Formats: sequence, structure tokens, C-alpha cells
Amino acid sequence: GAGVSQTPSNKVTEKGKYVELRCDPISGHTALYWYRQSLGQGPEFLIYFQGTGAADDSGLPNDRFFAVRPEGSVSTLKIQRTERGDSAVYLCASSLPTSGTGETQYFGPGTRLLVL
Amino acid sequence: SQQGEEDPQALSIQEGENATMNCSYKTSINNLQWYRQNSGRGLVHLILIRSNEREKHSGRLRVTLDTSKKSSSLLITASRAADTASYFCATDYNQGGKLIFGQGTELSVKP
Repeated sequence: GAGVSQTPSNKVTEKGKYVELRCDPISGHTALYWYRQSLGQGPEFLIYFQGTGAADDSGLPNDRFFAVRPEGSVSTLKIQRTERGDSAVYLCASSLPTSGTGETQYFGPGTRLLVL
Repeated sequence: SQQGEEDPQALSIQEGENATMNCSYKTSINNLQWYRQNSGRGLVHLILIRSNEREKHSGRLRVTLDTSKKSSSLLITASRAADTASYFCATDYNQGGKLIFGQGTELSVKP
């Protein structure tokens, strides 16, 4: 079956603009995660959905960042009033429902965001 | 911070040699996962090892976990040029499944 897909693959925007990044998880995966990766660093957790609800949004850096998953499948990460520091690769991952010992997370190819 | 540490940060070897990468973490974990990343894009899952496991194998990969030392290692045997990539360990601290990644090891395998 298809893996996690993310669109667009690249996004260039100007400082102050609004952007939306989309993630389509593996079919049947109820858990969905967003991470952000800066150059030369490991990915950093942003937000986690179990179904439609955000179970943990502790990684969102500030209130300019927001994510939704209205039907429990596709998720959109929204960034308002973008800043140059938001430039990074945004990665989405999905997994089966989290169990007591955790599940493998499968990552999409990422969206590379460049804020000019 | 719960972020783990990986060493070495960079490793350069010849084809055919073995490569060992290490990961240390801070507190008790549910599981630890190793990923490979090429060219700064998507991560490819390699192995998941649970806290009650000590060793797992997958092809040329061997992962060990020592919970008393809070450390894990990834061994790639008989390396190939195609193994050139960044390798990350990620720990699941039983906080809803979110992963905490290390800084990664950049592996270069020279033909």
C-alpha cells in the first residue's frame, strides 16, 4: 500500500505570509505526528493526533502554528505570519494506535519550507 | 531535556567494513527506534527495539539495548556505499508515542 504522502514537497513563501502543509497518512493509521527538522539537526516533535483530536501539542513553538485533522485521516499544519526562522523540513509520520510498548512510526518525504 | 545523544557525529569507513553508532538517553523508555535519512528528506525506519528486548537483527543490521546503561548501538556489517546516510536514534518515553530524536550520525562509506 501507499506510504505517508506530503504536499507540497517544497514551499517558498515570503515573511508574513500564511502557509498550509498537508499530510496523508497510511490507511488505517489512527496516530499521526508532525515533526520539524532544521538543517543538521534531528527532527523535533510538534504535535500528535490520535484520531481527530490533538492528544499532545506541546511541541508547537507558538500560537502561529496550528494543526487539524478533521476526519481522522488527512492532517494540515498551518503556519500564520511566517518568519524566516520557520524555514525547515516539516515531516509527518503515522502509526497504528499507540499501544503500551509503542508502535513504529512511518515518515513521509517531508515538505521543505523556505521563508524569504 | 530528554534528547538523547549519538556518537560519533560523523563516521567515515571503507566498503566492507563494519560501522557502529551509539545512542544514549536519559530516562526509562518504552522503545527505541533507529532511522536512516538520505539527503535531509524522509526518514526510513530500520529497527524498533522494546525496553524488554536486548538485541534485534534485520539483515546486515544489529541493534542492542542496554537499559542499565541507558544506551543502544546500531551495527551495520559489511557496509556498502549505498549505506551512506544520516542515522538517527529516537526514543519513545511513553508520552503518547512521540519520539525524541538524537542529533544523528553521518555515515560515509567510501567505495
